[in-house]
Amino acid sequence: DIQMTQSPSSLSASVGGRVTITCRASQSISNYLNWYQQKPGKAPKLLIYAASSLQSGVPSRFSGSGSGTDFTLTISSLQPEDFATYCCQQSYSTPWTFGQGTKVEIK
Amino acid sequence: QVQLQESGPGLVKPSQTLSLTCTVSGGSIRSGDYYWSWIRQPPGKGLEWIGYIPYSGSAYSNPSLKSRATISIDTSKNQFSLKLSSVTAADTAVYYCAREAPPVRYHYAMDVWGLGTTVTVSS
Repeated sequence: DIQMTQSPSSLSASVGGRVTITCRASQSISNYLNWYQQKPGKAPKLLIYAASSLQSGVPSRFSGSGSGTDFTLTISSLQPEDFATYCCQQSYSTPWTFGQGTKVEIK
Repeated sequence: QVQLQESGPGLVKPSQTLSLTCTVSGGSIRSGDYYWSWIRQPPGKGLEWIGYIPYSGSAYSNPSLKSRATISIDTSKNQFSLKLSSVTAADTAVYYCAREAPPVRYHYAMDVWGLGTTVTVSS
């Protein structure tokens, strides 16, 4: 199985601040990388697919980049509703696997 | 737009079979090149992909479940289902159904999710 490792596991940031989350795959996955946001007690929500494509309806402050083994999710200006857990997922090779998640908290 | 809703027992005894159904509304389970999947999340832990099924084709289940998971589809009811046999406390989790978008453009991204249903394995 492909292992997905996120860093950091948690972070504190201020409203309006810039946040960067990293996801590393244990082998090359081209751009088969998706990002999700999950709030407590809720289902995950797709933010970014194919490493850098913004899902319809998702604010443009979210962006993704990377290819191969290293990927980044960036929130350019953190809003109150963005405090949540973010996780990456590879869809290059079954079984699909997820990162352990990064919790973004209010500073 | 398409919505998904999980249903099934919230409590299952150890060694029994967990059975869940996902009902698709707002669209046909046969339309487009979608895959229909199950994902679970144990309390306080990360997401684990259980497997998927296309509307026409073979299901695939995560080998980590050691052949205990069976995913099937009923196009006449617009539903797909999960059966997980020989459950233990380790199978206690929130179970989600989701739609995986067409692979060519969307790389199987899970673009629609159900609300999730909590299943507890306990005697």
